[in-house]
Amino acid sequence: GNSVTQMEGPVTLSEEAFLTINCTYTATGYPSLFWYVQYPGEGLQLLLKATKADDKGSNKGFEATYRKETTSFHLEKGSVQVSDSAVYFCALRGSGGSNYKLTFGKGTLLTVNP
Amino acid sequence: DSGVTQTPKHLITATGQRVTLRCSPRSGDLSVYWYQQSLDQGLQFLIQYYNGEERAKGNILERFSAQQFPDLHSELNLSSLELGDSALYFCASSSGDANEKLFFGSGTQLSVL
Repeated sequence: GNSVTQMEGPVTLSEEAFLTINCTYTATGYPSLFWYVQYPGEGLQLLLKATKADDKGSNKGFEATYRKETTSFHLEKGSVQVSDSAVYFCALRGSGGSNYKLTFGKGTLLTVNP
Repeated sequence: DSGVTQTPKHLITATGQRVTLRCSPRSGDLSVYWYQQSLDQGLQFLIQYYNGEERAKGNILERFSAQQFPDLHSELNLSSLELGDSALYFCASSSGDANEKLFFGSGTQLSVL
């Protein structure tokens, strides 16, 4: 079945540091890939997505490129802010059929210190 | 605000009891998903409904059941509760299209004592 593996946290950075959170996946066909973010006490929110190979999703300074050859969708940001502190989830939605459920990684806690 | 409403926000109960979690999807969304979030298992998909019909089933225990009503709200019923059922339960909704994003509620924190 489909699965997502993302780097274990927690990740602690200083403000303006560069961020990378690794995500790799296992799926048949051509899944769509997502990053969701969960701020303290809230539900998950979509951060960015990519629906086909070589697509780059971007939002709020975050980027991730769908790499089919390495089955990866790593999240990057050039300069993090304290307000980026949250849990980040990589997810995929399988292709085909009428089942649109998302399969999530276990999440990576990011803490950004001033 | 995602537009998805979950009640209650917190629930404390004892082992062996039964509880009902409620979810109201975003206006116009036909699809409802239930997820369980725990420290050891992460986010686990439980079940999906689309316009009142069960669409997909994930790692949902036989002690758990769900339904979606004609007004599209959904309920997740958890019975014969065990300590290990303590978790954050999320509901999400979407329009049901393949690439539509999911909108998540704030969750119900269940504590089984």
